[in-house]
Amino acid sequence: SQQGEEDPQALSIQEGENATMNCSYKTSINNLQWYRQNSGRGLVHLILIRSNEREKHSGRLRVTLDTSKKSSSLLITASRAADTASYFCATVNAGGTSYGKLTFGQGTILTVHP
Amino acid sequence: EPEVTQTPSHQVTQMGQEVILRCVPISNHLYFYWYRQILGQKVEFLVSFYNNEISEKSEIFDDQFSVERPDGSNFTLKIRSTKLEDSAMYFCASTRGRGAGANVLTFGAGSRLTVL
Repeated sequence: SQQGEEDPQALSIQEGENATMNCSYKTSINNLQWYRQNSGRGLVHLILIRSNEREKHSGRLRVTLDTSKKSSSLLITASRAADTASYFCATVNAGGTSYGKLTFGQGTILTVHP
Repeated sequence: EPEVTQTPSHQVTQMGQEVILRCVPISNHLYFYWYRQILGQKVEFLVSFYNNEISEKSEIFDDQFSVERPDGSNFTLKIRSTKLEDSAMYFCASTRGRGAGANVLTFGAGSRLTVL
């Protein structure tokens, strides 16, 4: 099954604007995470939200989770050129036996123009 | 800040050759993983490793793949006979696996494998 589908696939904004990316998934989850990947580099963990949480903040990041709709959103406020990267949501299935078995989405490519 | 290191950063090999990708996970982490990302596609789980054995593997992780922790620091992925479709970026990751942050993975920068 396809899990963790993001939209939009690409987002282009000006510095200072907010960027919103959405993610949908299909199975019951334990938690949902967002990762960032700069071009050609590894993935960096940004934020984790558990299935019993609805909203979480970390600095300029705000994540929401709606388990009834099986969807999440990542908001980056006051974006900077340095935020230019690909952003992935990843889910950990409920009842999974492996702590770190993540199912990744396709990702959103964010470009922030100075 | 502790990091996961991977070598080589890029390897080019001929189809049918064996390849070993190496990783040094974070020292106090207990769970180790390999993921791969074919160009333009999703990051996919390959295998998880705990207590010196595979704890879970995906359908992709067939008999051509193996993992090993040969000593207290290295974690390797071996592909016995590479195919063209094995060309991808391979990421190693680790996690403490206990308590807060158990599900949060620290990824290495990746090893790009090109099979010709």
